[in-house]
Parts: sequence; structure tokens; C-alpha cells
Amino acid sequence: GQNIDQPTEMTATEGAIVQINCTYQTSGFNGLFWYQQHAGEAPTFLSYNVLDGLEEKGRFSSFLSRSKGYSYLLLKELQMKDSASYLCAVRITSSGNTPLVFGKGTRLSVIA
Amino acid sequence: DAGVIQSPRHEVTEMGQEVTLRCKPISGHDYLFWYRQTMMRGLELLIYFNNNVPIDDSGMPEDRFSAKMPNASFSTLKIQPSEPRDSAVYFCASSPSTGAAYGYTFGSGTRLTVV
Repeated sequence: GQNIDQPTEMTATEGAIVQINCTYQTSGFNGLFWYQQHAGEAPTFLSYNVLDGLEEKGRFSSFLSRSKGYSYLLLKELQMKDSASYLCAVRITSSGNTPLVFGKGTRLSVIA
Repeated sequence: DAGVIQSPRHEVTEMGQEVTLRCKPISGHDYLFWYRQTMMRGLELLIYFNNNVPIDDSGMPEDRFSAKMPNASFSTLKIQPSEPRDSAVYFCASSPSTGAAYGYTFGSGTRLTVV
């Protein structure tokens, strides 16, 4: 089966930096995605990595190491509105737009 | 664009009743996915379509679940008969087939409660 692991919960302070880790063991790999989901809302796309290295997008960065089956999402200058669940997802195959397999998500609480 | 539109937003039904969830994907997106989200299991893929054709329904829990996509702008997920363990948030998502990231756009979801 496909296995995607993330911590269940994290807490961080407003203004700080937080790193959310994701490890995966899947039958194939064709890209890793991070989504943000506020309580009671739909997941929204944050980032995409298919090659090793760091992708930066404003306060958010995402890193991938394919050899280690590892990714992290880095959030800088945390704001209260960043309190949400963060979902790691992997595309398993390369043939077309095949579905994503999601981890269970990490619930981040930002405190003052 | 109005995004992916799902209806209803909330549904409360009694065990044994039929439930129909609806989804309108983003115009021009030729992939449509149905996911179910629970605290215990997270987001699970139920079925997905490409150009209105079902490609993989191996995630559909059992025969009580069925999904259709009669045209490019409409899909339904039906549960008949419903059971309390079907209580979850059901998301529809759509995606274009071009573009490196192939990211999904999710609808707002339908929160289903079966009592």
C-alpha cells in the first residue's frame, strides 16, 4: 500500500518559523504537493515539487528529497491566519493526471 | 470563474435513505475526482473521471456507492441505502490535463450526516 506520514499536530508562535515534515513510501513517484485546509473549508493548493530541492513562494517554501522519500513545508513569519491543517500528497504514477494520495494532515495552531 | 461548485453544503439523512451529492467542475477541466474525508482516514479517493469516463472506481467502498458524469459540467455521487458510517465530508475536485503541477481545485464539500 501507499504510506504518507505527517505529524498529527504542531503548535508555533506568531512571527516564528515552523517546519512540517512529510515522509512517504509509495509504489511510484511523480510529484509531491502541499495543500492548506482551514477548518470547515476545502483544501487549497500551496506548492508542488517534482525535483529535489527547495521551492520558495513568499512566506512558504517546500523541500523535496526523492532518495529519502522526504519533504517539508516551511512557513516563515507565522500569522494567526496560518492556523490550519497542512496536507502532504503524492502523485504515484506518471501516466496522465492520475490522482493524488494524501497524508492525514498536520493541524497547526499558531498562538500569540 | 466560480470554481468547483458542490451541493448541498450540508445533508442530514436517516439510515436507509438515498443521498445524492452534486458537483459542477471548472469549465475546461477534463478530470474530476470524488474524495471522502474523515478524521480517522483523512482524504480518500473514491472515483475519478477523465472526459466524463470513469477511470478508476476501486476506492468506492461498496455497491451502495455509485457515481456518474453525464456531461462535462456535472457529476453525481449517490449512496443508496445510506448508513451511519458513511458520515463524512465529501469533496469533489477538478483539474486540467495540461500544466506541470496538475494541481486540483476542490469544491467546498458536502458534510453528510447519517443518523
